[in-house]
Amino acid sequence: LAKTTQPISMDSYEGQEVNITCSHNNIATNDYITWYQQFPSQGPRFIIQGYKTKVTNEVASLFIPADRKSSTLSLPRVSLSDTAVYYCLVGGGYTGTASKLTFGTGTRLQVTL
Amino acid sequence: NAGVTQTPKFRVLKTGQSMTLLCAQDMNHEYMYWYRQDPGMGLRLIHYSVGEGTTAKGEVPDGYNVSRLKKQNFLLGLESAAPSQTSVYFCASSLGLAGRETQYFGPGTRLLVL
Repeated sequence: LAKTTQPISMDSYEGQEVNITCSHNNIATNDYITWYQQFPSQGPRFIIQGYKTKVTNEVASLFIPADRKSSTLSLPRVSLSDTAVYYCLVGGGYTGTASKLTFGTGTRLQVTL
Repeated sequence: NAGVTQTPKFRVLKTGQSMTLLCAQDMNHEYMYWYRQDPGMGLRLIHYSVGEGTTAKGEVPDGYNVSRLKKQNFLLGLESAAPSQTSVYFCASSLGLAGRETQYFGPGTRLLVL
């Protein structure tokens, strides 16, 4: 299984940009990288997905270097409501092989005024 | 459109008891998954299903069984609960293989085994 490593926690002030990096040295050639957000007592919720280079949507950007051994989730101008745990997920590269899916241990982001 | 629902929300079991967790989705998704979430360990895949009548093992399948008799339902069974199975269990579904496709998660079931 691809091992994924994330910082345990991060702190930020409201209005700042936050970058959370996930390390996945053993990522397979066809694997995708997905980030999820989780609030207390809720299930994770999809934020963004990418395969290589940069992906941007209305809430975040995902930067993936050429070697794909890491990825960085960028949250622009965070607010208090962005306080949550963020998970990276690596996998999906082999049809039918969900057993290769690997979640990171999560990064707890605390946003304050 | 309820998405993914889980029953029950919370349960307390004694060691050796059995129980079944029910997951239901109304999005006509082919893939369904059961995860457990423990402090400091993220989400770990227990079992998954790629379609009605099929199941497969994930990373931590020991002590659990699953069934997918109907496309919309995925059941997780504990035949003889152990304290090590105290955890929060999440069900998820996706149109295609997770990683390629977005997973939609249920609200979770908190299980305490005494």
